[in-house]
Amino acid sequence: GDSVTQMEGPVTLSEEAFLTINCTYTATGYPSLFWYVQYPGEGLQLLLKATKADDKGSNKGFEATYRKETTSFHLEKGSVQVSDSAVYFCALASYNQGGKLIFGQGTELSVKP
Amino acid sequence: ETGVTQSPTHLIKTRGQQVTLRCSSQSGHNTVSWYQQALGQGPQFIFQYYREEENGRGNFPPRFSGLQFPNYSSELNVNALELDDSALYLCASSFPGVLDYGYTFGSGTRLTVV
Repeated sequence: GDSVTQMEGPVTLSEEAFLTINCTYTATGYPSLFWYVQYPGEGLQLLLKATKADDKGSNKGFEATYRKETTSFHLEKGSVQVSDSAVYFCALASYNQGGKLIFGQGTELSVKP
Repeated sequence: ETGVTQSPTHLIKTRGQQVTLRCSSQSGHNTVSWYQQALGQGPQFIFQYYREEENGRGNFPPRFSGLQFPNYSSELNVNALELDDSALYLCASSFPGVLDYGYTFGSGTRLTVV
């Protein structure tokens, strides 16, 4: 079945460092891909999305490009801030799975001043 | 936009009891899904409702059931609670065409079963 694999955390960075969180997926159809962020004690917030191959999603300085050839959707940010500390989830949804979201296990990011 | 609101925020129940969790969807959203998130894990899909009909279910037993109402609010009911049901329960809603818009999540209900 469809699945999402993320790099394991926790990831610890200094403020202004470059961030990459790897995400790869397996899907039989043509999924849309999402990154969600979860701050401590809160629900999930949609960070960015891409609906077809080669699309780039971006928001708040974060970017991810839908790479069909490598089945990847890596999250990047050029300069992280302490306020970016959170858990990041990669997810996919496809119509042949009824539109439900399938999540990776999450990657915890901790940014130190 | 009012967002997705869930109630209660926290709940403690005893094993064997029943619980009802509530969700008010964002205005205009007619698709609602429920997810279970165990500590340190990604959310797992429980079921989805579209126009008051269940149209998808994950690998959860029948003691997990739900309802969606004409105003698109919804409930998650869990009978015969087990200790492993302790988790954060998330409600998510979407416009039609979820693959284009994604889901909007509520802040969740933290359920503890003792």
